[in-house]
Amino acid sequence: DVKVTQSSRYLVKRTGEKVFLECVQDMDHENMFWYRQDPGLGLRLIYFSYDVKMKEKGDIPEGYSVSREKKERFSLILESASTNQTSMYLCASSTGTGHNEQYFGPGTRLTVT
Amino acid sequence: GQNIDQPTEMTATEGAIVQINCTYQTSGFNGLFWYQQHAGEAPTFLSYNVLDGLEEKGRFSSFLSRSKGYSYLLLKELQMKDSASYLCALRGDSSYKLIFGSGTRLLVRP
Repeated sequence: DVKVTQSSRYLVKRTGEKVFLECVQDMDHENMFWYRQDPGLGLRLIYFSYDVKMKEKGDIPEGYSVSREKKERFSLILESASTNQTSMYLCASSTGTGHNEQYFGPGTRLTVT
Repeated sequence: GQNIDQPTEMTATEGAIVQINCTYQTSGFNGLFWYQQHAGEAPTFLSYNVLDGLEEKGRFSSFLSRSKGYSYLLLKELQMKDSASYLCALRGDSSYKLIFGSGTRLLVRP
């Protein structure tokens, strides 16, 4: 079974702090994604990566950056956390072949106070 | 651009059948996905349609009509554990990205 893990289930940070969210997948998937999920808005894509060191902006990249130094790991960075970044953050990965469905991690609920 | 619409909430009775609709507008089409998400958990993949017609998988089936920009997820013999949100997701022009609808929250009552 594909396993996508995220470093924390719950995180509380202060405004202005730098925040790192880590995601690791164990199935040698090419593609990795970061979403945020907010009530009534669904899942919105922040960034994705289709290869090591490659990244592309999603629909809402402002205030975020990413890093993919190894194939299995994709990090989301909030350079200076703000209260409007309080959300559920979901990481996903996909093979890049076949149906190319995405497999999701358990999510990190981030609260910025 | 791309747009996906699905009902916000639905209620159904245990043992019954429910159909969750999804309509979309897109310039390119490379597949439509359905995911299930229980409260507080990650979305899990249910089904994929890229050609018109019905795909059946046990109690769950998914239908696609590309000409009408329409899909539905059919859940038969509903069980209490089917209470969850169901997300419709479109792969449009990109081979990587999915665009998600806001999800339909299904409540199954005894």
